[in-house]
Amino acid sequence: EDQVTQSPEALRLQEGESSSLNCSYTVSGLRGLFWYRQDPGKGPEFLFTLYSAGEEKEKERLKATLTKKESFLHITAPKPEDSATYLCAVQDNYGQNFVFGPGTRLSVLP
Amino acid sequence: EAQVTQNPRYLITVTGKKLTVTCSQNMNHEYMSWYRQDPGLGLRQIYYSMNVEVTDKGDVPEGYKVSRKEKRNFPLILESPSPNQTSLYFCASSLYAGHTYNEQFFGPGTRLTVL
Repeated sequence: EDQVTQSPEALRLQEGESSSLNCSYTVSGLRGLFWYRQDPGKGPEFLFTLYSAGEEKEKERLKATLTKKESFLHITAPKPEDSATYLCAVQDNYGQNFVFGPGTRLSVLP
Repeated sequence: EAQVTQNPRYLITVTGKKLTVTCSQNMNHEYMSWYRQDPGLGLRQIYYSMNVEVTDKGDVPEGYKVSRKEKRNFPLILESPSPNQTSLYFCASSLYAGHTYNEQFFGPGTRLTVL
């Protein structure tokens, strides 16, 4: 059974203080790993898809990396508008369903 | 504007009263899915559909039904709602690109309370 865990559960940063969020996964064969951002009361919004170990993708202050067991979302010099819950999800090679982690709630203080 | 719409956005009902939550997308996506989101449990997939007339169970399908008669619509049906189905529900759609799926676009959510 596919499993996804995320750490930390919550993270408070000062504006400009860089950090990383972790997503650990267990799948029988990874088809794709997805990162989403979710603002309170809204649906998740897509950030990145990673397909194989060693792959990296960047978007503004965010950079996602992937190994065979985990993915990291690096946030460089965050701003208050980066405050949100960040969700990680996986899809395996054998099914068509997606499994999400519980998320990391990020607060960036001015 | 490309979007996924859900209706209603908020619903309070009573145990046993059948209800339907509608979901529609205007992006011609093959893949559609329903999730529920509960505190501490994250997003859990209820049902998904790879195309018209093709549906399959996700991780938490008990107590729910779906249908996919048209490509754009994917309604979620609760035949006899119970209080443990009180949750925030999201519909999502995705374009199937060969061996994998592109990003999922999520709707705004439906907050359901079952008394």
